[in-house]
Amino acid sequence: KNEVEQSPQNLTAQEGEFITINCSYSVGISALHWLQQHPGGGIVSLFMLSSGKKKHGRLIATINIQEKHSSLHITASHPRDSAVYICAGYGGATNKLIFGTGTLLAVQP
Amino acid sequence: EAGVAQSPRYKIIEKRQSVAFWCNPISGHATLYWYQQILGQGPKLLIQFQNNGVVDDSQLPKDRFSAERLKGVDSTLKIQPAKLEDSAVYLCASSLIPGGQFFGPGTRLTVL
Repeated sequence: KNEVEQSPQNLTAQEGEFITINCSYSVGISALHWLQQHPGGGIVSLFMLSSGKKKHGRLIATINIQEKHSSLHITASHPRDSAVYICAGYGGATNKLIFGTGTLLAVQP
Repeated sequence: EAGVAQSPRYKIIEKRQSVAFWCNPISGHATLYWYQQILGQGPKLLIQFQNNGVVDDSQLPKDRFSAERLKGVDSTLKIQPAKLEDSAVYLCASSLIPGGQFFGPGTRLTVL
């Protein structure tokens, strides 16, 4: 079992829909990242969270430390949001980034 | 603030050739990371530098991979000789605080 799990693995949405991607972790972490990766591209850091909620444009990220769970929400989704979204926890026994398996999002026009 | 810079963005070589990648971290970031991301997988940490010293290189295949960070700023990652299984995206990241990593655009390596 991965220390950082994401769901769903694949998600197809229609343009304009509200999207939620979930991340659960089983190790102690001091921060959680949400990352975006377009096909063949590098990784863009969207958020780094240690508590509560952050918002940037149409993106919202929340984290519940007690439940070891985080969510990434995209409001009014657009085809340009199509990408792989990765959550990664920092900490655990190794003080390294532990990456989730990624969620492949396709937003259709 | 300028981000993490990497070059080249794409590289195609034949097996047994050598290749080098360059990374310029965000100014002031003492920690620099090199990751290897094979298609369909998550990034794997190859090496972590703190200034110009190596913190962790436990997953670096040292028989063919080498990395250096002279003067604690820019870094290069070299593969010599390359194998087919080295085809991947090589990501550089830097951080100022523990856990706060910023990633570069990556270098996509194809080994034929």
